[in-house]
Amino acid sequence: DAGVTQSPTHLIKTRGQQVTLRCSPKSGHDTVSWYQQALGQGPQFIFQYYEEEERQRGNFPDRFSGHQFPNYSSELNVNALLLGDSALYLCASSFGSGGGTDTQYFGPGTRLTVL
Amino acid sequence: AQSVAQPEDQVNVAEGNPLTVKCTYSVSGNPYLFWYVQYPNRGLQFLLKYITGDNLVKGSYGFEAEFNKSQTSFHLKKPSALVSDSALYFCAVRPRYGQNFVFGPGTRLSVLP
Repeated sequence: DAGVTQSPTHLIKTRGQQVTLRCSPKSGHDTVSWYQQALGQGPQFIFQYYEEEERQRGNFPDRFSGHQFPNYSSELNVNALLLGDSALYLCASSFGSGGGTDTQYFGPGTRLTVL
Repeated sequence: AQSVAQPEDQVNVAEGNPLTVKCTYSVSGNPYLFWYVQYPNRGLQFLLKYITGDNLVKGSYGFEAEFNKSQTSFHLKKPSALVSDSALYFCAVRPRYGQNFVFGPGTRLSVLP
């Protein structure tokens, strides 16, 4: 049973560019959440997708956008990259209609470096 | 504002000794509480969660956590530490009617042989 997978593993971009990160949820999961983990900090919630719609959003600018596909996989897009966007981006999947008891299972992350 | 505190950046313990990693939170209502562990260059791995019921929750790899409502704390414990337990530990809180986790800053646990 494959767990949560993310691609690519590492990515280097320059300021102003755009980036797309991808996530495939754990088998049987239908909900995907995205987090940003800056160096030395805990993950910060970006947004969550369920039934192909953004269900909740954290305190991130509109430069951060996402999408969920019918097969439940998801993409995170970041436009106009800033140096401060350099971080580990984590995808987490869960199953259910959003009750708070759902356990989220995390992928290995994508390390984004913005130069 | 919702927040999670892990007052110790680093915890050092000798192998075989009991360990405690502390977590306190400030979240309205009765949130759900989680612990995750992160090994180098890896994502977060789920350890345990408190939803309701018994204040002592048992999880993976021999870890347990004690919920204390009056102190708004959820401390992670293990009776006998292993060198392989050395990692970064995150406490996370989820509002009862919200979707997102609020994570603490993390505590680095070092178990010395």
